[in-house]
Amino acid sequence: AQTVTQSQPEMSVQEAETVTLSCTYDTSESDYYLFWYKQPPSRQMILVIRQEAYKQQNATENRFSVNFQKAAKSFSLKISDSQLGDAAMYFCAYRRAGSYQLTFGKGTKLSVIP
Amino acid sequence: DTAVSQTPKYLVTQMGNDKSIKCEQNLGHDTMYWYKQDSKKFLKIMFSYNNKELIINETVPNRFSPKSPDKAHLNLHINSLELGDSAVYFCASSQGGGGYNEQFFGPGTRLTVL
Repeated sequence: AQTVTQSQPEMSVQEAETVTLSCTYDTSESDYYLFWYKQPPSRQMILVIRQEAYKQQNATENRFSVNFQKAAKSFSLKISDSQLGDAAMYFCAYRRAGSYQLTFGKGTKLSVIP
Repeated sequence: DTAVSQTPKYLVTQMGNDKSIKCEQNLGHDTMYWYKQDSKKFLKIMFSYNNKELIINETVPNRFSPKSPDKAHLNLHINSLELGDSAVYFCASSQGGGGYNEQFFGPGTRLTVL
């Protein structure tokens, strides 16, 4: 079974600084997809960024980028120029190609210090 | 217009009661999901329907029964509620499910069993 591990239950960052959230996963598959979701205090789950395992280029969405290391099974999220609105729980998720199932990590609570 | 809506947003009830949570999506998606988020924020898939057909049925008590009257609706009925059922329940939808597709989440329903 696939597992997703987020080893940092909580993190904090100064406003305007950069922070990196860690995620590792365990799979024997070669074709899969990885996602980062954000859950602010409003509870709404929002997709931040996603990566296809067969693409070597790291995905980027504005201030959000990932460092995807397939051999190490690592998928970290970097948030640049952190803003107060980035404060939220961040969940890393994995989906095997051809599967409907998303497997989530336990989340990292990010606080942004003004 | 809300893409994925759930009613009610909050539900407080007594142990032993039967309750339902409704979910509707107006995105034209063919796949819908129910997730449970426990008090530690861990998010786990419960059920998934594709074109009204049950495709994911994780190990949940059979007191939980999903019903999909059409592709735009997926309701969750819970019989004989127990204290441990207290959680936030999220509905989600996607177009297909086996790949890169984003899952869109509803706002969640916080269920409290007294």
